[in-house]
Amino acid sequence: GAGVSQTPSNKVTEKGKYVELRCDPISGHTALYWYRQSLGQGPEFLIYFQGTGAADDSGLPNDRFFAVRPEGSVSTLKIQRTERGDSAVYLCASSLKGGTLAEQFFGPGTRLTVL
Amino acid sequence: AQSVTQLDSQVPVFEEAPVELRCNYSSSVSVYLFWYVQYPNQGLQLLLKYLSGSTLVESINGFEAEFNKSQTSFHLRKPSVHISDTAEYFCATARSGNTGKLIFGQGTTLQVKP
Repeated sequence: GAGVSQTPSNKVTEKGKYVELRCDPISGHTALYWYRQSLGQGPEFLIYFQGTGAADDSGLPNDRFFAVRPEGSVSTLKIQRTERGDSAVYLCASSLKGGTLAEQFFGPGTRLTVL
Repeated sequence: AQSVTQLDSQVPVFEEAPVELRCNYSSSVSVYLFWYVQYPNQGLQLLLKYLSGSTLVESINGFEAEFNKSQTSFHLRKPSVHISDTAEYFCATARSGNTGKLIFGQGTTLQVKP
């Protein structure tokens, strides 16, 4: 299928380690979003890319979190010095052109567990 | 600031019974409203949305939601549920003219029993 894909599906790491989570959006979608879903909660916005640039990173919780989208397609969410509180499902979504009117299509998520 | 409150964390219901999943939002500006569904072991999918126009919106599988500005609500209803409707349902809002970032509620688990 041509949906949003995320790798890995599961990631277990130790506190203090560095992790990278990858998102492959639907081909041709210029907008890409990252959300974080903690246990028992709804998804929480992290960052929005329009093309290669981060148009809104207001949801990143602190400077340990960083995301890139160098060629305007694949995006990588990077977390430094992981903490147990970072454990969550990280969701990626893409839309054709961004903005509120464009439907967001979500990937299956990466479940991050920090021991 | 925008926020969304889903009043019920779990809603158990028997098959073929009606159901209502409640959602209230708060915002000082015009908003768009959405319901997303997450079936077991699947990603989030858009179920229906209110952008403008008719306050009653429908999905292809029999769900409907009504935008009520005076009560700041966007409750989701279905007159007769099926086992296959068992899923997690999320209400979400976004500001008009914004980047499209969604503000989600906490989610409601709909458990349809035979």
